Amino acid sequence: EVKLVESGGGLVQPGGSLKLSCAASGFTFSSYTMSWVRQTPEKRLEWVAYISNGGGSPYYPDTVKGRFTISRDNAKNTLYLQMSSLKSEDTAMYYCARHLLGGYAMDYWGQGTSVTVSS
Amino acid sequence: DIQMTQSPASLAASVGDTVTITCRASENIYYSLAWYQQKQGKSPQLLIYNANSLEDGVPSRFSGSGSGTHYSMKINSMQPEDTATYFCKQAYDVPWTFGGGTKLEIK
Repeated sequence: EVKLVESGGGLVQPGGSLKLSCAASGFTFSSYTMSWVRQTPEKRLEWVAYISNGGGSPYYPDTVKGRFTISRDNAKNTLYLQMSSLKSEDTAMYYCARHLLGGYAMDYWGQGTSVTVSS
Repeated sequence: DIQMTQSPASLAASVGDTVTITCRASENIYYSLAWYQQKQGKSPQLLIYNANSLEDGVPSRFSGSGSGTHYSMKINSMQPEDTATYFCKQAYDVPWTFGGGTKLEIK
């Protein structure tokens, strides 16, 4: 059974940093590209980071570029999202998601970890 | 960025009704469109990819169609378990972008 379990969320002050983790199991993690997607309190979905199966070719939207860094450890079957210079608008539920082999649709999502940026 | 305009924002349907949700892209996305279902308190689930390919395990009453900038998802014979919010997403160009969602309820 494919499982994605996020952790690391919490309350952080504006300007602070946080590192999210996503533990993967039930599939060959190193074969799949992965993304992070967030859902705002208004329920809007926003893709925030992508990484290739080997760990290269990261993509980010302009809203987080330069502040967020996606990485992965294929030996540990874990995906990460390092977030810095956090803003109130980064407050959201953060999901890790697996991409279909050879495509960009996301076929499995974790349960999410909540990030709140507030003083 | 490619803008995705989804409609309607909400609708209520009776059991057995046919439901259609549409998504319009601000430019041609060449069938690179997916539909997701999100039930209350759960994470999104993939229903349809490449505009019209049904994900494994998804009931056949769901279908997708469209081309260019206009896409739609249809539910033939609405069931109570289809109550959810539905999102479209384009994956033609980064940043990948989602529609605003359609909240579907049982009438």
